[in-house]
Amino acid sequence: NAGVTQTPKFRVLKTGQSMTLLCAQDMNHEYMYWYRQDPGMGLRLIHYSVGEGTTAKGEVPDGYNVSRLKKQNFLLGLESAAPSQTSVYFCASSYSGGTGTYEQYFGPGTRLTVT
Amino acid sequence: AQKITQTQPGMFVQEKEAVTLDCTYDTSDPSYGLFWYKQPSSGEMIFLIYQGSYDQQNATEGRYSLNFQKARKSANLVISASQLGDSAMYFCAMREGLWVTGNQFYFGTGTSLTVIP
Repeated sequence: NAGVTQTPKFRVLKTGQSMTLLCAQDMNHEYMYWYRQDPGMGLRLIHYSVGEGTTAKGEVPDGYNVSRLKKQNFLLGLESAAPSQTSVYFCASSYSGGTGTYEQYFGPGTRLTVT
Repeated sequence: AQKITQTQPGMFVQEKEAVTLDCTYDTSDPSYGLFWYKQPSSGEMIFLIYQGSYDQQNATEGRYSLNFQKARKSANLVISASQLGDSAMYFCAMREGLWVTGNQFYFGTGTSLTVIP
């Protein structure tokens, strides 16, 4: 049981380049999330998904796109990277609604630098 | 308005002492959950404790307890008998509408805790 994995762990991009971050979970969670973490700002939600084939915008969605073609995978795309997108990106997953804790399980993070 | 406010950017505590990390939240939804996460210097996010808005008692998990004051909208984390390994960043988070599909988590900006030997 690997939990939540993220690929890659580190990446350096030049301004204008594109890339895709892959998140995979093996816990059969319905919900998946992408966050970015910047110093002094905590975690901010970029996009999230409540199930296969559905996605929604979070707090800071501009410049990012996502897809959830399979339940276990959630992809985050940067079409034209900008220096402002330099950040640590975390993927998370959780169970869906109902009673219970349903805390988020986080991946190890991807450190992205855009020069 | 901020959904989650953590007003202590940094805290220091002596080893073996207790420490309280503050968290206030803002929601008009009667159904919500409050979470605390720990982020050590290695970067991973570790879930610590959860409190549901309808829970009658304060949550406890080992040395962690959550001081839930619903009327004041506060959910402070209490760490008892601090250990050096408790030095980390701590985040408070909230999920609104526990039985509604598709609600977001909101995180605070975090409190950096340093345990002094």
